[in-house]
Amino acid sequence: GNSVTQMEGPVTLSEEAFLTINCTYTATGYPSLFWYVQYPGEGLQLLLKATKADDKGSNKGFEATYRKETTSFHLEKGSVQVSDSAVYFCALSPFGGQNFVFGPGTRLSVLP
Amino acid sequence: EAQVTQNPRYLITVTGKKLTVTCSQNMNHEYMSWYRQDPGLGLRQIYYSMNVEVTDKGDVPEGYKVSRKEKRNFPLILESPSPNQTSLYFCASSLSGTSILEQYFGPGTRLTVT
Repeated sequence: GNSVTQMEGPVTLSEEAFLTINCTYTATGYPSLFWYVQYPGEGLQLLLKATKADDKGSNKGFEATYRKETTSFHLEKGSVQVSDSAVYFCALSPFGGQNFVFGPGTRLSVLP
Repeated sequence: EAQVTQNPRYLITVTGKKLTVTCSQNMNHEYMSWYRQDPGLGLRQIYYSMNVEVTDKGDVPEGYKVSRKEKRNFPLILESPSPNQTSLYFCASSLSGTSILEQYFGPGTRLTVT
């Protein structure tokens, strides 16, 4: 079946540090890949997406590249801010499928 | 404003007392879905709907029912709630079910079953 694995959290960083959150997936065919962010007390918001191999999604300084050879979609940001503190979810949507599969989420705390 | 709304936002109930959580979207989206969020498990899909009168089970449908009589509404029904259904519930919608590129989420409903 389809599944998403994320690195265990929580992740605690100082402001301006480099961020990497690892995400790997298992799926048949060519799924679309997503990163969602959940700020405290809110619903999920789409952060970025990639729909085919080697695509790079980017938004608000965050980036992730769809790597089919390693079945990965790692999230990176060069310099995190306190306002980036949130829970980050990696997710996939199977090609031609109707369901979404989310990873367990990684909580990020950025300290001033 | 384009949005997904859920009601109620918070609900405390007792075992066995039927309840409905409403979900409505104003974006004319075809696809709607319900998820539950539990610590360490992320979001798990309960049910989804490709369009009016078309619903299907997700990964954890036991104990839940849904209906899609109108395009904008997708209520979640718990006929006989149990404590293991205590969770944070999210409704989401997407323009098309054939290519789900982005889902819009509601603010969540925190349910406690005692």
